[in-house]
Amino acid sequence: DVKVTQSSRYLVKRTGEKVFLECVQDMDHENMFWYRQDPGLGLRLIYFSYDVKMKEKGDIPEGYSVSREKKERFSLILESASTNQTSMYLCASSLWGIGYEQYFGPGTRLTVT
Amino acid sequence: KNEVEQSPQNLTAQEGEFITINCSYSVGISALHWLQQHPGGGIVSLFMLSSGKKKHGRLIATINIQEKHSSLHITASHPRDSAVYICAVRSNTGNQFYFGTGTSLTVIP
Repeated sequence: DVKVTQSSRYLVKRTGEKVFLECVQDMDHENMFWYRQDPGLGLRLIYFSYDVKMKEKGDIPEGYSVSREKKERFSLILESASTNQTSMYLCASSLWGIGYEQYFGPGTRLTVT
Repeated sequence: KNEVEQSPQNLTAQEGEFITINCSYSVGISALHWLQQHPGGGIVSLFMLSSGKKKHGRLIATINIQEKHSSLHITASHPRDSAVYICAVRSNTGNQFYFGTGTSLTVIP
């Protein structure tokens, strides 16, 4: 069974703080993804990574950065958290290539006050 | 512009009813996924389709590639089926996924 874990289920941070969200997968997947999910907007891709140290911007990368130093770990960084980054953050992983499904982590609900 | 459109957005059904959720997409795809998200956030993959039809228990998923349309059916619905169902497609031109905004299903006992 593929397992994707995220470092926190719930997180409350103050405006301006630097926030780290961590995601770990145990199936040697090449691809890892960070999404945010907001009511009425569905899942939106922030960044994805197809290999160690490789990353590509998704649809909404502004205000975020990522780090992938090891294949199993993909971190999302909010350099200076703002209230409009309050959201549910979901990490996913998949094998490289077409036709492979994504496996999702449980999500981190981040509140920025 | 949404590459993936789902309907309906919200659906309430009586226990035992047959339910259909629809998904239309506008991009070329290598596969279509149906996902289930329960309150609390976790997302589970139900089906991955590239053609035809798949069945798992009371769930059936179909896809028509020519019409760029997929349906998810739930037979003999049960309150535990209450969840958000999300349609997602994987582009055939890269590594990108596109997601619908989800259908919120409530099954009343």
